[in-house]
Amino acid sequence: QTVVTQEPSFSVSPGGTVTLTCGLSSGSVSSSSYPSWSQQTPGQAPRTLIFSTNFRSSGVPDRFSGSIVGNKAALTITGAQADDECDYYCVLYMGDGTSAFGGGTRLTVL
Amino acid sequence: EVHLVESGGGLVQPGGSLRLSCAASGFTFSNSWMHWVRQAPGKGLVWVSRINSDGRTTIYADSVKGRFTISRDNAKNTLYLQMNSLRADDTAFYYCTRGNPVPNSWGQGTLVAVSS
Repeated sequence: QTVVTQEPSFSVSPGGTVTLTCGLSSGSVSSSSYPSWSQQTPGQAPRTLIFSTNFRSSGVPDRFSGSIVGNKAALTITGAQADDECDYYCVLYMGDGTSAFGGGTRLTVL
Repeated sequence: EVHLVESGGGLVQPGGSLRLSCAASGFTFSNSWMHWVRQAPGKGLVWVSRINSDGRTTIYADSVKGRFTISRDNAKNTLYLQMNSLRADDTAFYYCTRGNPVPNSWGQGTLVAVSS
């Protein structure tokens, strides 16, 4: 069974740039995977930042951007802020009608 | 603005049943694919099920196949999840989500706790 992979944790300095990735244990992520990125703070519901690879949801600042880098989807945060510290999840369309989430990346801003 | 409000969660014994509902507004529900996603306390997000816009096509994660049924009433702008034969590992927040083909708009969730 193909698994969606994410870095378990990442650290970035305030004001810095970080790129989180989302891959497949077997195969490549492409735009046909419709990668979507969501942000979740403790005790809150997720909030989608990016959908269909690189489209920002309404109200999401442009320092969040999505792309395909090599064989993975990527979420880049530029000018990291303290309130960016939370969990980030990607979800992919698996081609068989199902979707699958990665295990999430816990981002620390320090 | 997309607005999704889940209800129906609660405490249920193993082997029991529960029906979740999700009231949708702010978008054309009858044109939208809908999903259920769950999250066990302290764990990650897990996709559960999807239904297409007219309700004729449904698909499930292996972990719930044969026990859960997703359905919708487009006249009432409401999504449902019928959960039968519940197990302790079904304990989670359940989120109603909208998206084609992947979830990308979220409700606030409803907690289902399976325990004796």
